[in-house]
Amino acid sequence: IAGITQAPTSQILAAGRRMTLRCTQDMRHNAMYWYRQDLGLGLRLIHYSNTAGTTGKGEVPDGYSVSRANTDDFPLTLASAVPSQTSVYFCASSRHASEGVYNEQFFGPGTRLTVL
Amino acid sequence: ELKVEQNPLFLSMQEGKNYTIYCNYSTTSDRLYWYRQDPGKSLESLFVLLSNGAVKQEGRLMASLDTKARLSTLHITAAVHDLSATYFCAVMGAGGTSYGKLTFGQGTILTVHP
Repeated sequence: IAGITQAPTSQILAAGRRMTLRCTQDMRHNAMYWYRQDLGLGLRLIHYSNTAGTTGKGEVPDGYSVSRANTDDFPLTLASAVPSQTSVYFCASSRHASEGVYNEQFFGPGTRLTVL
Repeated sequence: ELKVEQNPLFLSMQEGKNYTIYCNYSTTSDRLYWYRQDPGKSLESLFVLLSNGAVKQEGRLMASLDTKARLSTLHITAAVHDLSATYFCAVMGAGGTSYGKLTFGQGTILTVHP
């Protein structure tokens, strides 16, 4: 593994079903993030984690939950999917949440989710 | 609340021409990032701008940051087809609950044609 991986690549899901999007990074980054991308809205932050064991809400957290049991993994769960959650989901990581000169975020390949 | 606005949202350019994409943001920040996204792909980091007056260049792209005006520009010189992509600016929050988090602009879809 090099960088950030996400699974699945794409998924079609019936409304009301539960779904977990997986994200794994091998860069030993402390901070991880979940974004959704919708045309005309750019990327919007769903949830974030500054370090293993902690999580926080972003701009659009409703209907989503996350956990951060270890440094490498940051799964995003939709407890009961709705059509408005149809989107492309990107996981990202950065070395530190707030320290460091660059604090550059690196992005995974994305998961395209369709909720019918 | 930090807001980031890009313009234009759509840009159709002829090869060889120059153009500028603008990124305005609403609150104090001294860290701004430009990303490129090809269709169906992830985001690729282009530039990291860390201070007022910062200017960075890579090939036909040049980015600058004016923190006093809360404005960044991405200038394209002598456009070529390979530059066709969506370009995002993202601003890092500097205080309160937004500290350390990126807020993205809407993206500019650039198409370069012969």
